[in-house]
Amino acid sequence: GQQLNQSPQSMFIQEGEDVSMNCTSSSIFNTWLWYKQDPGEGPVLLIALYKAGELTSNGRLTAQFGITRKDSFLNISASIPSDVGIYFCAGQTGTYKYIFGTGTRLKVLA
Amino acid sequence: GAVVSQHPSWVICKSGTSVKIECRSLDFQATTMFWYRQFPKQSLMLMATSNEGSKATYEQGVEKDKFLINHASLTLSTLTVTSAHPEDSSFYICSALTSGSNEQFFGPGTRLTVL
Repeated sequence: GQQLNQSPQSMFIQEGEDVSMNCTSSSIFNTWLWYKQDPGEGPVLLIALYKAGELTSNGRLTAQFGITRKDSFLNISASIPSDVGIYFCAGQTGTYKYIFGTGTRLKVLA
Repeated sequence: GAVVSQHPSWVICKSGTSVKIECRSLDFQATTMFWYRQFPKQSLMLMATSNEGSKATYEQGVEKDKFLINHASLTLSTLTVTSAHPEDSSFYICSALTSGSNEQFFGPGTRLTVL
């Protein structure tokens, strides 16, 4: 099935550092979403973006909907150990389906 | 609000048997639910769209006779893996679409292991 490309695939960072990850697609989406998934659990919504160019924050997280509507990025500032997990982007199609990205695995070193 | 549950949370079965997984929207009605499959260290892949009162729509490459979906009420969709084989072992996650925000809310997932 179709997937969105996320980079980096994985990253190790020191606690307190800022993190940036992005997601690109060959298709246009009307809605971009960012999720975090902990092992053995379902994904949890972090940020939803509804308009091209939109920049939205949720605590230490900031995400932007690219103006081409084919990409999005997520930043995490001042990372803490509980930020560890897998981050997925998702694009929503016109029929409300979600196409998920390949995921970015984040590990935070205390 | 917008809580989705799945049952069971994990299941182990013998090869050749069938397994049913339930997905419930606890505090809202969902005319549309989605079923995803996630293999280890991979992303969520959409299997099918479950519509209340009508047949499910399957994604390309997903066998509808093997993965039976029933959405008999506005709060319950079931996925039955028929004649399960070890390669069906995976993490199955459902989501329910809210009518107001058109946002999907995800269940906690069901880990299926076929021996």
